[in-house]
Amino acid sequence: AQTVTQSQPEMSVQEAETVTLSCTYDTSESDYYLFWYKQPPSRQMILVIRQEAYKQQNATENRFSVNFQKAAKSFSLKISDSQLGDAAMYFCAYRSTQGGSEKLVFGKGTKLTVNP
Amino acid sequence: NAGVTQTPKFQVLKTGQSMTLQCAQDMNHNSMYWYRQDPGMGLRLIYYSASEGTTDKGEVPNGYNVSRLNKREFSLRLESAAPSQTSVYFCASILGQSNSPLHFGNGTRLTVT
Repeated sequence: AQTVTQSQPEMSVQEAETVTLSCTYDTSESDYYLFWYKQPPSRQMILVIRQEAYKQQNATENRFSVNFQKAAKSFSLKISDSQLGDAAMYFCAYRSTQGGSEKLVFGKGTKLTVNP
Repeated sequence: NAGVTQTPKFQVLKTGQSMTLQCAQDMNHNSMYWYRQDPGMGLRLIYYSASEGTTDKGEVPNGYNVSRLNKREFSLRLESAAPSQTSVYFCASILGQSNSPLHFGNGTRLTVT
């Protein structure tokens, strides 16, 4: 079974600075999808960014980008020019492309604090 | 607004009571899921339904049952609530393509005393 590990339970960053959240995963599959979700205090789960494993190019969405290292099974999230509204729990997630299953496996999350 | 609707938002139960969490989506999604979120544990899959008429166990199914009533609705039932089931419950759905994101409901905070 696939597992997702987020080794940083908590992180903090100064407003306008850059922060990187770590995520590693374990799988024997060659094709899969990876996601970062944000959960603000409102409890809503919001998709931040996604990456297809077959794509070598790292995904970017405005201030959010990933560093996808397939061989190392690493999928870190970089937040540039951090804003107060970025404060939230961040979850890394993995989805297989095999077996007709669309289940997402989540990491335990990283709580990000943004200091003014 | 289109999306995933969960009811209720909050619920307090006594040990041994039963209840059903309701979930409906209006995006014509094939697959639906129930997750629970506990501090320090992330989101863990309870049950899922890959298509109408099918349900399967996830990582933590004990103490729960589900019903995929139709394509839109997927309910989660606690027959005899226990304090260990105190959690935040999320329903989610997806169209079926693997690169599609999960769409989540806003969650139900359940407390069992």
